[in-house]
Amino acid sequence: AQSVTQLDSQVPVFEEAPVELRCNYSSSVSVYLFWYVQYPNQGLQLLLKYLSGSTLVKGINGFEAEFNKSQTSFHLRKPSVHISDTAEYFCAVSGAGKSTFGDGTTLTVKP
Amino acid sequence: DTGVSQDPRHKITKRGQNVTFRCDPISEHNRLYWYRQTLGQGPEFLTYFQNEAQLEKSRLLSDRFSAERPKGSFSTLEIQRTEQGDSAMYLCASSQADRAGYGYTFGSGTRLTVV
Repeated sequence: AQSVTQLDSQVPVFEEAPVELRCNYSSSVSVYLFWYVQYPNQGLQLLLKYLSGSTLVKGINGFEAEFNKSQTSFHLRKPSVHISDTAEYFCAVSGAGKSTFGDGTTLTVKP
Repeated sequence: DTGVSQDPRHKITKRGQNVTFRCDPISEHNRLYWYRQTLGQGPEFLTYFQNEAQLEKSRLLSDRFSAERPKGSFSTLEIQRTEQGDSAMYLCASSQADRAGYGYTFGSGTRLTVV
C-alpha cells in the first residue's frame, strides 16, 4: 500500500518570495515520486518527477524538489514565485501500477 | 498528437439517470486511468487498463460504475442510477507501461453534476 500526506492545505506567499510545499509519503516498495500542478478548470500537468539518481530534481517553471529517503519526503521548492504560480499542487507516489495522490496544497501568490 | 481528450466537458443529469463519459488517450500510450476528484480533495483512483485489459479496480467503486476499453484505444466510464454523491470531476490519464516513472498525461476532465 502507498499513501501521500501533503502537510499544508493552503500556502499564501508574496510575489518574489521563496516557497516550500511539503509532501511525505509511505510505501512498502520502491517508488516513483511526482508533483503535478492544476490551474483552475484544467487537468493536472506534470511539474517534475523523481525516478532514481540525484535526489534534487528540477522541473518546469523554475520548480525543484528534493527526495529524502530517510524522512520519506519529497518537498517542492521555488526560490522566487510569480503571480502566475497561483494554483493547486499535488504530490503523488507510484509503484509499477497506479499513482496515489495527496489532497493538494493551494498556493496563492499575492502581489 | 493532441493529448488526452475527454468528452463531454460538463454533464448535468437528474438523479437516477445513467451517464457515460469518453476518454481518448495519447495514441502510443498503452495504459489508461480513471480518477475522480471532488472539491478540496486529490484525485481518487477508480480503475486502470493496460491495452484492453482492466488490471485494477478500486474497492471503493460501487457496482454502479463500469469502465471499458474494448480495442485498447479509447475508454468509456458509465455510471448507472446516478446519485448526488457522484457529483465530481472525472479525470482520465494515460501513460506508457514501460515508462511508469514518467508520470501521467491528464485530460481536462468531465465535470458531472447530479441534480
